[in-house]
Amino acid sequence: LAKTTQPISMDSYEGQEVNITCSHNNIATNDYITWYQQFPSQGPRFIIQGYKTKVTNEVASLFIPADRKSSTLSLPRVSLSDTAVYYCLVGDMDTGRRALTFGSGTRLQVQP
Amino acid sequence: DGGITQSPKYLFRKEGQNVTLSCEQNLNHDAMYWYRQDPGQGLRLIYYSQIVNDFQKGDIAEGYSVSREKKESFPLTVTSAQKNPTAFYLCASSSSRDSLRETQYFGPGTRLLVL
Repeated sequence: LAKTTQPISMDSYEGQEVNITCSHNNIATNDYITWYQQFPSQGPRFIIQGYKTKVTNEVASLFIPADRKSSTLSLPRVSLSDTAVYYCLVGDMDTGRRALTFGSGTRLQVQP
Repeated sequence: DGGITQSPKYLFRKEGQNVTLSCEQNLNHDAMYWYRQDPGQGLRLIYYSQIVNDFQKGDIAEGYSVSREKKESFPLTVTSAQKNPTAFYLCASSSSRDSLRETQYFGPGTRLLVL
Protein backbone atom coordinates (compact mmCIF):
# COMPACT_ATOMS: atom_id res chain seq x y z
CA LEU A 1 0.00 0.00 0.00
CA ALA A 2 1.58 3.25 -1.16
CA LYS A 3 2.20 5.76 1.55
CA THR A 4 2.09 8.75 -0.82
CA THR A 5 0.73 9.40 -4.30
CA GLN A 6 2.21 12.01 -6.62
CA PRO A 7 1.86 12.74 -10.35
CA ILE A 8 4.49 10.87 -12.32
CA SER A 9 5.55 13.90 -14.32
CA MET A 10 4.87 17.60 -14.90
CA ASP A 11 5.97 20.11 -17.51
CA SER A 12 6.42 23.84 -17.08
CA TYR A 13 8.12 26.86 -18.60
CA GLU A 14 10.71 29.15 -17.12
CA GLY A 15 9.25 31.86 -14.91
CA GLN A 16 6.05 29.99 -14.10
CA GLU A 17 4.92 28.85 -10.67
CA VAL A 18 4.77 25.08 -10.29
CA ASN A 19 2.56 23.28 -7.78
CA ILE A 20 3.10 19.59 -7.08
CA THR A 21 0.43 17.90 -4.98
CA CYS A 22 1.01 14.80 -2.90
CA SER A 23 -1.72 12.62 -1.43
CA HIS A 24 -1.09 10.92 1.92
CA ASN A 25 -4.49 9.72 3.13
CA ASN A 26 -3.11 7.55 5.92
CA ILE A 27 -0.82 10.11 7.49
CA ALA A 28 -0.37 9.55 11.20
CA THR A 29 -0.97 12.19 13.83
CA ASN A 30 2.70 12.74 14.55
CA ASP A 31 3.94 12.52 10.95
CA TYR A 32 5.73 15.39 9.29
CA ILE A 33 5.64 15.95 5.53
CA THR A 34 9.02 16.31 3.89
CA TRP A 35 9.98 17.10 0.30
CA TYR A 36 13.27 16.28 -1.41
CA GLN A 37 14.72 17.20 -4.80
CA GLN A 38 16.94 14.88 -6.83
CA PHE A 39 19.05 15.63 -9.90
CA PRO A 40 20.26 12.77 -12.15
CA SER A 41 23.07 10.68 -10.65
CA GLN A 42 23.00 12.63 -7.39
CA GLY A 43 21.57 12.01 -3.95
CA PRO A 44 18.31 13.73 -2.99
CA ARG A 45 18.46 17.10 -1.30
CA PHE A 46 16.08 18.38 1.39
CA ILE A 47 13.77 21.17 0.22
CA ILE A 48 11.16 21.80 2.88
CA GLN A 49 9.26 20.22 5.74
CA GLY A 50 5.99 20.99 7.48
CA TYR A 51 3.33 19.69 9.83
CA LYS A 52 0.31 21.88 9.11
CA THR A 53 -0.80 25.11 7.43
CA LYS A 54 1.94 26.83 5.45
CA VAL A 55 5.71 26.77 5.54
CA THR A 56 7.96 28.96 3.40
CA ASN A 57 11.71 29.09 2.93
CA GLU A 58 14.03 30.64 0.38
CA VAL A 59 13.41 27.82 -2.09
CA ALA A 60 9.74 26.82 -1.86
CA SER A 61 6.45 26.92 -0.01
CA LEU A 62 4.54 24.00 1.41
CA PHE A 63 0.77 24.14 1.83
CA ILE A 64 -0.94 21.61 4.10
CA PRO A 65 -4.75 21.65 4.55
CA ALA A 66 -6.36 21.12 7.94
CA ASP A 67 -7.04 17.40 7.36
CA ARG A 68 -3.37 16.87 6.35
CA LYS A 69 -4.36 14.20 3.80
CA SER A 70 -2.49 16.04 1.08
CA SER A 71 0.18 18.66 0.66
CA THR A 72 1.30 20.94 -2.16
CA LEU A 73 4.86 21.94 -2.91
CA SER A 74 4.98 25.33 -4.62
CA LEU A 75 8.05 26.43 -6.59
CA PRO A 76 7.86 30.13 -7.54
CA ARG A 77 9.20 31.24 -10.92
CA VAL A 78 10.97 28.02 -11.91
CA SER A 79 14.13 28.01 -13.98
CA LEU A 80 15.77 25.34 -16.12
CA SER A 81 17.84 24.29 -13.10
CA ASP A 82 14.67 23.22 -11.29
CA THR A 83 14.32 20.30 -13.69
CA ALA A 84 14.54 17.35 -11.30
CA VAL A 85 12.56 14.64 -9.52
CA TYR A 86 10.63 15.77 -6.44
CA TYR A 87 9.75 13.33 -3.66
CA CYS A 88 7.07 13.71 -1.00
CA LEU A 89 7.63 11.69 2.17
CA VAL A 90 5.70 10.95 5.32
CA GLY A 91 6.45 8.57 8.15
CA ASP A 92 6.17 4.81 7.88
CA MET A 93 4.35 4.01 11.07
CA ASP A 94 2.49 0.96 9.68
CA THR A 95 5.52 -1.22 10.18
CA GLY A 96 6.55 0.52 13.36
CA ARG A 97 9.70 1.50 11.55
CA ARG A 98 11.13 4.89 12.20
CA ALA A 99 12.43 5.46 8.71
CA LEU A 100 11.29 7.30 5.64
CA THR A 101 9.83 5.69 2.54
CA PHE A 102 10.52 7.33 -0.81
CA GLY A 103 7.91 6.86 -3.54
CA SER A 104 8.54 7.19 -7.26
CA GLY A 105 8.47 10.99 -7.15
CA THR A 106 7.35 13.60 -9.67
CA ARG A 107 9.61 14.31 -12.62
CA LEU A 108 9.47 18.05 -13.35
CA GLN A 109 10.68 19.21 -16.76
CA VAL A 110 11.15 22.96 -17.17
CA GLN A 111 11.28 24.25 -20.74
CA PRO A 112 12.83 27.54 -21.90
CA ASP B 1 34.24 20.25 4.88
CA GLY B 2 31.51 18.26 6.58
CA GLY B 3 29.52 15.74 4.63
CA ILE B 4 29.05 12.20 3.49
CA THR B 5 31.47 10.41 1.23
CA GLN B 6 30.85 7.24 -0.71
CA SER B 7 33.39 5.16 -2.51
CA PRO B 8 33.98 4.03 -5.09
CA LYS B 9 31.95 6.10 -7.55
CA TYR B 10 31.69 3.09 -9.89
CA LEU B 11 32.02 -0.55 -8.92
CA PHE B 12 32.03 -3.66 -11.05
CA ARG B 13 31.03 -7.02 -9.68
CA LYS B 14 31.63 -10.43 -11.15
CA GLU B 15 29.14 -13.24 -10.80
CA GLY B 16 29.26 -14.85 -7.37
CA GLN B 17 31.41 -12.11 -5.89
CA ASN B 18 30.75 -10.11 -2.73
CA VAL B 19 31.50 -6.40 -2.93
CA THR B 20 31.51 -3.73 -0.24
CA LEU B 21 30.42 -0.13 -0.68
CA SER B 22 31.89 2.43 1.67
CA CYS B 23 29.98 5.23 3.39
CA GLU B 24 31.62 7.68 5.79
CA GLN B 25 30.20 10.79 7.45
CA ASN B 26 31.86 13.48 9.57
CA LEU B 27 28.61 15.20 10.55
CA ASN B 28 28.47 13.46 13.94
CA HIS B 29 25.09 12.01 12.94
CA ASP B 30 23.60 9.14 14.91
CA ALA B 31 21.52 7.59 12.12
CA MET B 32 22.68 6.25 8.77
CA TYR B 33 20.82 4.67 5.85
CA TRP B 34 21.36 2.74 2.64
CA TYR B 35 19.04 3.07 -0.36
CA ARG B 36 18.94 1.44 -3.74
CA GLN B 37 17.71 3.27 -6.84
CA ASP B 38 16.95 1.57 -10.15
CA PRO B 39 16.73 3.59 -13.39
CA GLY B 40 13.66 5.83 -13.45
CA GLN B 41 12.55 4.61 -10.04
CA GLY B 42 12.41 6.03 -6.54
CA LEU B 43 14.65 5.10 -3.63
CA ARG B 44 14.12 1.87 -1.73
CA LEU B 45 15.43 1.41 1.78
CA ILE B 46 17.88 -1.48 2.24
CA TYR B 47 19.11 -1.08 5.82
CA TYR B 48 19.28 1.65 8.41
CA SER B 49 21.08 2.16 11.69
CA GLN B 50 19.98 4.51 14.43
CA ILE B 51 22.92 3.87 16.75
CA VAL B 52 26.31 2.19 16.74
CA ASN B 53 26.24 -1.62 16.83
CA ASP B 54 22.57 -1.74 15.88
CA PHE B 55 20.79 -1.79 12.52
CA GLN B 56 17.41 -2.75 11.06
CA LYS B 57 16.27 -4.19 7.76
CA GLY B 58 14.48 -1.99 5.30
CA ASP B 59 12.20 -3.04 2.46
CA ILE B 60 14.77 -4.91 0.36
CA ALA B 61 17.42 -6.26 2.74
CA GLU B 62 17.73 -9.72 1.15
CA GLY B 63 21.11 -10.23 -0.44
CA TYR B 64 22.71 -7.35 1.48
CA SER B 65 24.53 -7.02 4.79
CA VAL B 66 25.75 -4.07 6.84
CA SER B 67 27.77 -3.27 9.94
CA ARG B 68 27.92 -0.24 12.21
CA GLU B 69 31.03 -0.58 14.33
CA LYS B 70 31.77 3.13 14.30
CA LYS B 71 29.45 6.12 14.38
CA GLU B 72 30.94 7.61 11.23
CA SER B 73 30.96 4.47 9.07
CA PHE B 74 28.19 2.28 7.65
CA PRO B 75 29.52 -0.08 4.94
CA LEU B 76 27.16 -2.08 2.75
CA THR B 77 28.09 -5.51 1.38
CA VAL B 78 26.30 -6.75 -1.71
CA THR B 79 26.50 -10.51 -1.46
CA SER B 80 26.35 -13.14 -4.18
CA ALA B 81 22.79 -13.85 -3.01
CA GLN B 82 21.69 -10.56 -4.54
CA LYS B 83 20.88 -11.72 -8.06
CA ASN B 84 20.19 -8.33 -9.59
CA PRO B 85 22.59 -5.89 -7.94
CA THR B 86 22.97 -3.42 -10.81
CA ALA B 87 21.72 -0.10 -9.41
CA PHE B 88 22.65 3.27 -7.96
CA TYR B 89 23.34 3.00 -4.22
CA LEU B 90 22.86 5.99 -1.95
CA CYS B 91 23.97 6.41 1.63
CA ALA B 92 22.42 9.01 3.92
CA SER B 93 22.64 10.19 7.50
CA SER B 94 20.51 12.23 9.89
CA SER B 95 21.36 13.90 13.15
CA SER B 96 18.98 12.07 15.44
CA ARG B 97 17.36 8.69 15.68
CA ASP B 98 14.03 10.18 14.70
CA SER B 99 14.44 10.08 10.96
CA LEU B 100 10.85 11.02 10.38
CA ARG B 101 11.65 14.61 11.16
CA GLU B 102 15.36 15.08 10.90
CA THR B 103 16.69 16.00 7.47
CA GLN B 104 18.58 13.26 5.70
CA TYR B 105 21.86 14.22 4.05
CA PHE B 106 22.86 12.08 1.10
CA GLY B 107 26.21 11.06 -0.31
CA PRO B 108 27.09 11.23 -4.02
CA GLY B 109 26.22 7.58 -4.62
CA THR B 110 27.94 4.47 -5.97
CA ARG B 111 26.90 2.94 -9.26
CA LEU B 112 27.26 -0.85 -9.19
CA LEU B 113 27.47 -2.78 -12.44
CA VAL B 114 27.64 -6.52 -12.97
CA LEU B 115 30.20 -7.87 -15.43
